[in-house]
Amino acid sequence: AQSVTQPDIHITVSEGASLELRCNYSYGATPYLFWYVQSPGQGLQLLLKYFSGDTLVQGIKGFEAEFKRSQSSFNLRKPSVHWSDAAEYFCVLGNQGGKLIFGQGTELSVKP
Amino acid sequence: DAGVIQSPRHEVTEMGQEVTLRCKPISGHDYLFWYRQTMMRGLELLIYFNNNVPIDDSGMPEDRFSAKMPNASFSTLKIQPSEPRDSAVYFCASRDRGELFFGEGSRLTVL
Repeated sequence: AQSVTQPDIHITVSEGASLELRCNYSYGATPYLFWYVQSPGQGLQLLLKYFSGDTLVQGIKGFEAEFKRSQSSFNLRKPSVHWSDAAEYFCVLGNQGGKLIFGQGTELSVKP
Repeated sequence: DAGVIQSPRHEVTEMGQEVTLRCKPISGHDYLFWYRQTMMRGLELLIYFNNNVPIDDSGMPEDRFSAKMPNASFSTLKIQPSEPRDSAVYFCASRDRGELFFGEGSRLTVL
């Protein structure tokens, strides 16, 4: 079965602190993986994507993610969080057939 | 390009009325997706098209929901009759080389 799990529904971090959002997937072949961000009342914006190649991918707004096949994970990281990063973050699995499967999302709050 | 365009942005209707949501994908994108987002259920894939052909409609909740894509530049999602539990934000997205581009959503409230 194909699935995406984001274990953390809500995370709070202090501004300036580092961030890691977890994502685990289940898929029998090489996955396409994405992280999207949704600010309140807005649509979803792509942060970064992994198709193949280098397992550490860089995205916009200072985010990066590392693909670890052995752990079936694609965790999102940022070394120093800004108040404007408060939003909901979605990990997404893309299969060979074109379907995209969203995780449940992780809501990030940033403390001043 | 203007991005994915959805209309209306907001709709308030009464139970039993027909609702039609519209989407114009980005030109040249060959996949189009309809998603529904609620607090309770998160983002749910309703249906997606490839080259105007419906590929997977298993997420369409009931027969009250229908979607069409008569050409590459237009799609509709129709709910008839609408019910209060259909209240949600409906997103349309089109895809280019794996990346989804989302519209800003249509917020539907059924009273």
